[in-house]
Amino acid sequence: KQEVTQIPAALSVPEGENLVLNCSFTDSAIYNLQWFRQDPGKGLTSLLLIQSSQREQTSGRLNASLDKSSGRSTLYIAASQPGDSATYLCAVKKGQNFVFGPGTRLSVLP
Amino acid sequence: DAMVIQNPRYQVTQFGKPVTLSCSQTLNHNVMYWYQQKSSQAPKLLFHYYDKDFNNEADTPDNFQSRRPNTSFCFLDIRSPGLGDAAMYLCATSRVIRDDEKLFFGSGTQLSVL
Repeated sequence: KQEVTQIPAALSVPEGENLVLNCSFTDSAIYNLQWFRQDPGKGLTSLLLIQSSQREQTSGRLNASLDKSSGRSTLYIAASQPGDSATYLCAVKKGQNFVFGPGTRLSVLP
Repeated sequence: DAMVIQNPRYQVTQFGKPVTLSCSQTLNHNVMYWYQQKSSQAPKLLFHYYDKDFNNEADTPDNFQSRRPNTSFCFLDIRSPGLGDAAMYLCATSRVIRDDEKLFFGSGTQLSVL
C-alpha cells in the first residue's frame, strides 16, 4: 500500500528566504507526482506535475524534483513571500488513484 | 473560466439526517473523484467515476454513496451522517487517466454534523 509522508509538518520562515519542502513515498512504481497548494478552508490548486520519466519541473519561483528510485520529491521555493503562506501537499499517482501526503504548513513572515 | 464547482460551500446537517453534496465541472473531464479531508490530514479518496464506471475504495463506508447522472455532475450522498463524518469534502476531475494528466479541484464543501 502506497504511503506518502511530508517533512516538516510546519515551517515558518522570514520573507525572502529560499526553502525546501520534502515528500517521500514508499512505492516507487508511480505514474506521476503533483505538488498542490491549499489555502485555509479551500480546495487544492495544482502547482507542478512531474511525470515518472522526468526529473524536475519549474514554474516561476517553484522547482520540483523527483527521484523515483529513492521515493523522494522536493519542492524548492525561491525568495519566499508572505503570499506563499499555505499548506503544500504532494500526491503520487498510480493507476487510477492519487495518494496524498498530509502536507507542510508554511508561514512566511513579513 | 472552465472549472470545478462545488455546492454548497458550507453544509450543516443533523446527526442521522441524509445530506447530498454536489459537484459540477465545465472541463468535460472523464474522471470525477470525491475526497474526504479532515483537519490537518491528507485528502482520502472515497470513490471515483471514469465516465459511468463507478470505482469504490475498499475502506469507504457504506454510508457514502455517489451518483453521476451525466458528464458534468457528480453527487455525494451521506445516508446517515455521524459526528465522525464532519470534514471537508473535495471534488476533483481529470481528463483521462494518463501519466501527464493533472488533478483539478473544486473549492470544497465543509460539512458540519450537529
